[in-house]
Amino acid sequence: NAGVTQTPKFQVLKTGQSMTLQCAQDMNHNSMYWYRQDPGMGLRLIYYSASEGTTDKGEVPNGYNVSRLNKREFSLRLESAAPSQTSVYFCASRWGEYNEQFFGPGTRLTVL
Amino acid sequence: DAKTTQPNSMESNEEEPVHLPCNHSTISGTDYIHWYRQLPSQGPEYVIHGLTSNVNNRMASLAIAEDRKSSTLILHRATLRDAAVYYCIPASSGSARQLTFGSGTQLTVLP
Repeated sequence: NAGVTQTPKFQVLKTGQSMTLQCAQDMNHNSMYWYRQDPGMGLRLIYYSASEGTTDKGEVPNGYNVSRLNKREFSLRLESAAPSQTSVYFCASRWGEYNEQFFGPGTRLTVL
Repeated sequence: DAKTTQPNSMESNEEEPVHLPCNHSTISGTDYIHWYRQLPSQGPEYVIHGLTSNVNNRMASLAIAEDRKSSTLILHRATLRDAAVYYCIPASSGSARQLTFGSGTQLTVLP
């Protein structure tokens, strides 16, 4: 099992450009999450999907959209990137309500 | 979500036990106490969680105070690989069980 995979690993964007971060899990988990982590800070939840077909906002959703494409895949889109979105983005998944979250390796995004 | 207080940093010698404290005085009765850790340049990884009783697994032990206002993560023999940021996270019940990460405790393990 690959667990949670994220692409790309690194990305540099110019202000105003758009891009989609991809996340996939092969553990048949129901719930998936997108977090961002700014330097020296803890993770903050952007969006989550409790199950296939549903998505909900987290703590910092502004400037982002998500798509739960199927049970395996959960993508995060930046429509018009801003320097404030420079961060490390982590995707995570979880099987059930009382189970742990499994995290991907992260995407390091720089917006110039 | 319950607020947590953890030391910013702690040091330990290799092969000695480490006790990482966490205060969560506003925890609700149904919140589980989760611990995650984040090694340098990696995503967080689950360590342990519990509700009321002390818990043990292959990675660590979790001691929960009787009033549940504090807990302690115990690493029985610290190794260099245990150097990480440790997060204590009371998680509210609900179908999504979101995790709210604070700033955690940076553990340094000295050889």
